[in-house]
Amino acid sequence: KAGVTQTPRYLIKTRGQQVTLSCSPISGHRSVSWYQQTPGQGLQFLFEYFSETQRNKGNFPGRFSGRQFSNSRSEMNVSTLELGDSALYLCASSSARGRLDTQYFGPGTRLTVL
Amino acid sequence: AQRVTQPEKLLSVFKGAPVELKCNYSYSGSPELFWYVQYSRQRLQLLLRHISRESIKGFTADLNKGETSFHLKKPFAQEEDSAMYYCALSTGSGNTGKLIFGQGTTLQVKP
Repeated sequence: KAGVTQTPRYLIKTRGQQVTLSCSPISGHRSVSWYQQTPGQGLQFLFEYFSETQRNKGNFPGRFSGRQFSNSRSEMNVSTLELGDSALYLCASSSARGRLDTQYFGPGTRLTVL
Repeated sequence: AQRVTQPEKLLSVFKGAPVELKCNYSYSGSPELFWYVQYSRQRLQLLLRHISRESIKGFTADLNKGETSFHLKKPFAQEEDSAMYYCALSTGSGNTGKLIFGQGTTLQVKP
């Protein structure tokens, strides 16, 4: 099976702009989770989507949002970008058995905010 | 509060030496714990999960609920074990799941 793919791999934006990142899960996986990875805060959970519904959310401001489509592909959006949003954004998919699931990670999108 | 702590940012050992990567957690429910690994220029991947009680690439990890720990061990380190290791706690209600990660430990195995 093909692994989790994320596009684009690299992105440079300026403060105040908005950005959309895309994630295609492993075929048959219905759950998609997003994580932010920074040197200072490490890996932090953003949100999880299953069957087009957000069912888990981390402690991030409302500028961070996401959605999932009927084919399980997911997008996350960050509005009004701040310098601190510079990070590697990882997407992970799983077969949605819940807490016992293995999450399969994509390569990430490296976002730089200038 | 739900938290995972990996006290060492860097662990450096010689090839053939034993390895122990420490992980402590804080969680009021029944914990589901994982170790994920990221080799250089590769994506984050699962190494092992406590519920499976398996040994992967010679690594084992035992959940100690009394000490709230899930340390990763290997009796004889190999150079190819050099990587970033993350301990993760799976939480969530019902059939949902989210991972809370520790800060990670870089394992450096010297020849």
